[in-house]
Amino acid sequence: AQSVTQLDSQVPVFEEAPVELRCNYSSSVSVYLFWYVQYPNQGLQLLLKYLSGSTLVESINGFEAEFNKSQTSFHLRKPSVHISDTAEYFCAVRYKAAGNKLTFGGGTRVLVKP
Amino acid sequence: EAQVTQNPRYLITVTGKKLTVTCSQNMNHEYMSWYRQDPGLGLRQIYYSMNVEVTDKGDVPEGYKVSRKEKRNFPLILESPSPNQTSLYFCASSPWATGTGNTIYFGEGSWLTVV
Repeated sequence: AQSVTQLDSQVPVFEEAPVELRCNYSSSVSVYLFWYVQYPNQGLQLLLKYLSGSTLVESINGFEAEFNKSQTSFHLRKPSVHISDTAEYFCAVRYKAAGNKLTFGGGTRVLVKP
Repeated sequence: EAQVTQNPRYLITVTGKKLTVTCSQNMNHEYMSWYRQDPGLGLRQIYYSMNVEVTDKGDVPEGYKVSRKEKRNFPLILESPSPNQTSLYFCASSPWATGTGNTIYFGEGSWLTVV
């Protein structure tokens, strides 16, 4: 079965420190990869996505993620976090053969401390 | 503005009392789906629809029904809610196009508590 694993359920981090959120998925067949963010009491927002081409993708607010096919990973990083980055982050995979269905990881809650 | 609208956003109900969560999108998308979000489990797909009158089960369909009579609407029906259906529910929509990375749009979520 297809599965997505986010290795850390919670990540506390100090403001201006770097953060890495890890994501691994179960199959190396053709995939699209996504990171979604959920701010407190809000819905899901697309943070960034990998469809094809360069394995490093960036968001407008300083996050980046790297697709590693051999390790079936799509880790999310930010070199310097802000208080406003406090949120829950979800890694999601769309297997090309599975149509529009997204398979989500369990989420990583990031708490940025001053 | 592209939108997926869910109602109600918050609901507390009692076991066994039928309820419907509505979902509407204004983007003329073929594909719509429902997910539930539970702590540590992420989002899991309940049902999906590829077009009008075409629906199918997702990963956790037990206890739910859906219908797709119009392209823009995809209501989620809980015929006899139980406490294990207490969750945060998301409706999503996108164009139907297998093999592309077209964006999936999510509603703002509906918090449902069954007591």
